[in-house]
Amino acid sequence: EPEVTQTPSHQVTQMGQEVILRCVPISNHLYFYWYRQILGQKVEFLVSFYNNEISEKSEIFDDQFSVERPDGSNFTLKIRSTKLEDSAMYFCASQDRRKTQYFGPGTRLLVL
Amino acid sequence: AQSVSQHNHHVILSEAASLELGCNYSYGGTVNLFWYVQYPGQHLQLLLKYFSGDPLVKGIKGFEAEFIKSKFSFNLRKPSVQWSDTAEYFCAVTFNNNAGNMLTFGGGTRLMVKP
Repeated sequence: EPEVTQTPSHQVTQMGQEVILRCVPISNHLYFYWYRQILGQKVEFLVSFYNNEISEKSEIFDDQFSVERPDGSNFTLKIRSTKLEDSAMYFCASQDRRKTQYFGPGTRLLVL
Repeated sequence: AQSVSQHNHHVILSEAASLELGCNYSYGGTVNLFWYVQYPGQHLQLLLKYFSGDPLVKGIKGFEAEFIKSKFSFNLRKPSVQWSDTAEYFCAVTFNNNAGNMLTFGGGTRLMVKP
């Protein structure tokens, strides 16, 4: 069964550094998402992406964040200058034609 | 504001006990409803979903959920839990006024089943 994959599984970075989180969605899906979960808090929506552009974004998704699909398979989330409060588990999801989202295993990001 | 709430944060049951986890949302329009499960060390997996039709939906592993529109609820049930059901359970909703079909999650319920 096809799955969403994410790399790396864990990332430790210094405050102010740039990080890129990678996702490979399920191949025939067209909608892609990033969510995050800060420890002890709810899973929160960050951004949705369709047809090579952002379709919706939350208040969290400020100018420090960007997404792209550089090569037709990968879907990346970039944080330009990380802050301590960006420490969280980041989940990628892709959506099938029946509007069901399938999640990857997540990347645990720790900003020191 | 649109929101999803799960009232039980932690539930402890013995094997063979019946399970009901509550989920409520606040929104007067059309919704799509989901329950996801996260087993220890694993990613979020879809248990079941409701888009329309019969409000009682059956999912994998013997789980079911009932959509009660008048109560804005979508409670998850299982008649007899097993130790392997130990996991965190998330209710999630898409509110159909959102262009991007984003999921809004409840806070999750950690279920521990004692053997």
